[in-house]
Amino acid sequence: DAKTTQPPSMDCAEGRAANLPCNHSTISGNEYVYWYRQIHSQGPQYIIHGLKNNETNEMASLIITEDRKSSTLILPHATLRDTAVYYCIVSPQIGSGTYKYIFGTGTRLKVLA
Amino acid sequence: GAGVSQSPRYKVAKRGQDVALRCDPISGHVSLFWYQQALGQGPEFLTYFQNEAQLDKSGLPSDRFFAERPEGSVSTLKIQRTQQEDSAVYLCASSLGQELNTEAFFGQGTRLTVV
Repeated sequence: DAKTTQPPSMDCAEGRAANLPCNHSTISGNEYVYWYRQIHSQGPQYIIHGLKNNETNEMASLIITEDRKSSTLILPHATLRDTAVYYCIVSPQIGSGTYKYIFGTGTRLKVLA
Repeated sequence: GAGVSQSPRYKVAKRGQDVALRCDPISGHVSLFWYQQALGQGPEFLTYFQNEAQLDKSGLPSDRFFAERPEGSVSTLKIQRTQQEDSAVYLCASSLGQELNTEAFFGQGTRLTVV
């Protein structure tokens, strides 16, 4: 019952922007898009989330299409430390009574020197 | 502490043994989640607490799995009669509020190996 689709892997040159796509075509009106990443042997780390508008913080930017069916996480200047598995997640629907965030298998981003 | 703390970091159990995994969330965090992560897979939801109330246990794979958070802070995930398929990393996460639009902070996990 995955709610998102991501490419299994991507490479990016160090210093360049990394653009990670995610499809969430069945997203509902009050479901948020979250991005987490997981560096080897660590717990997932929150990156950013959004509902409709584009969002930016010190780590990344999140671009959500107008129909909300897809989004892109942008790491503006990738470094070797950004090598990780990136998960795009749709939050449970508010009021649904479930709190189940579905991670899927994510995109394994490799930043190359 | 500054973050979510889980103990032990590693646990080896013999098949059939009971185990207890502990999670210390960030102080004051209302929400607490448990996830199971098999090798090469993403985390899979097990259960959710809002303070001491277990509001969602739909992800617990069998009745051998039990979680509690009696005082609304520390939580324990107990697995009875462990099986080899229980081998995984067990992750705990907490978030400040009860809303679904807040970030969760994860611990480093407990790696359980059942032999």
